[in-house]
Amino acid sequence: QSVLTQPPSASGTPGQRVTISCSGSSSNIGSNTVNWYQQLPGTAPKLLIYSNNQRPSGVPDRFSGSKSGTSASLAISGLQSEDEADYYCAAWDDSLNGLYVFGTGTKVTVL
Amino acid sequence: EVQLVQSGAEVKKPGESLKISCKGSGYSFTSYWIGWVRQMPGKGLEWMGIIYPGDSDTRYSPSFQGQVTISADKSISTAYLQWSSLKASDTAMYYCARHLGELSRIDYWGQGTLVTVSS
Repeated sequence: QSVLTQPPSASGTPGQRVTISCSGSSSNIGSNTVNWYQQLPGTAPKLLIYSNNQRPSGVPDRFSGSKSGTSASLAISGLQSEDEADYYCAAWDDSLNGLYVFGTGTKVTVL
Repeated sequence: EVQLVQSGAEVKKPGESLKISCKGSGYSFTSYWIGWVRQMPGKGLEWMGIIYPGDSDTRYSPSFQGQVTISADKSISTAYLQWSSLKASDTAMYYCARHLGELSRIDYWGQGTLVTVSS
């Protein structure tokens, strides 16, 4: 069902910068804003970035988002051990009557 | 504080019916869409559909249309996800989640309900 494509994994050492890509199409990322969710092991997802590049209250500024055309990306700078988690992009898709689509997910490992 | 509290884990046999719940508190339950998201073991997130408790307007992902029923009882601020005949492939964690608005982001999530279907 996933129409947003992410790399399955990404990794870095503490302090490094890690970037995750999210590729979509004109009916989703191309025409709607992108949100990012963090899912720590064994827990429910949590909103990390909304409207392409906005951080909810309480989210460290180490996390940043951007969007260009039909792609988006999430960057984690100053990687920390507690950032080890699954990350999902999401956007509304204008096909049919509207569908909220998630990315395939990226597992971030802190080496 | 916005909270979505889901019902507990369920173990069912194939062919049985099931209804799980999600109770909202800390906000106006009738003013926000509630969605359901499936996560199969070791897999990613799949959006199933949404309901607007204010008038019970409901929309389904094509992948889940006809497979589940989403409903809500605004008098007790609770949304539901139900199956009439479970299959082993329905084994998954199910999350309810609040959408900030129609065609808007999910901003709060329930803790999840694990459904296990096994003979």
